[in-house]
Amino acid sequence: DAGVTQSPTHLIKTRGQHVTLRCSPISGHKSVSWYQQVLGQGPQFIFQYYEKEERGRGNFPDRFSARQFPNYSSELNVNALLLGDSALYLCASSFLAEETQYFGPGTRLLVL
Amino acid sequence: GENVEQHPSTLSVQEGDSAVIKCTYSDSASNYFPWYKQELGKGPQLIIDIRSNVGEKKDQRIAVTLNKTAKHFSLHITETQPEDSAVYFCAANDYKLSFGAGTTVTVRA
Repeated sequence: DAGVTQSPTHLIKTRGQHVTLRCSPISGHKSVSWYQQVLGQGPQFIFQYYEKEERGRGNFPDRFSARQFPNYSSELNVNALLLGDSALYLCASSFLAEETQYFGPGTRLLVL
Repeated sequence: GENVEQHPSTLSVQEGDSAVIKCTYSDSASNYFPWYKQELGKGPQLIIDIRSNVGEKKDQRIAVTLNKTAKHFSLHITETQPEDSAVYFCAANDYKLSFGAGTTVTVRA
């Protein structure tokens, strides 16, 4: 069975640019969550979507936004990139919002 | 919000010995406590989880214990093997996962 997939795997951007990261959940899962993992730290919660509705938001600025599509895939958008946005961005899916979360391999973003 | 503390930050064990990682959490409403293993260049992989109505859970060489009164939970790995070397994260869930800072486990052959 296919797990959570994310694209692209790596990305290099410059300060001020915009980036879109994509996630496809495990088949049948209706909830997608996004996390940011800075090198050497644990993942930090950004958003959770369930049935295309935002269910939760972490302590991130409005430059971060996301959405979930009818097929339950999701996009994370980050505007006006800063050097500090360099991190591994992880997507996790679960069948229901509070069920076990399974992570994808992540997208490594480098902002120069 | 939830605050999860994890200790130790690094752990080196001889192959065949046991490894123990401890976590504490702050929000008494949290009721789900997963543990993830992350290898270099990969996303976190769920290895075991426990819910607040259970005090202990075991899966082969891995076990987790939960003390809700004291708000702490622990991961125990017995008979460690070189492939157990990785970074381990504990997490607690109210409606979103709050992670500890991670423990880098090295198993010496």
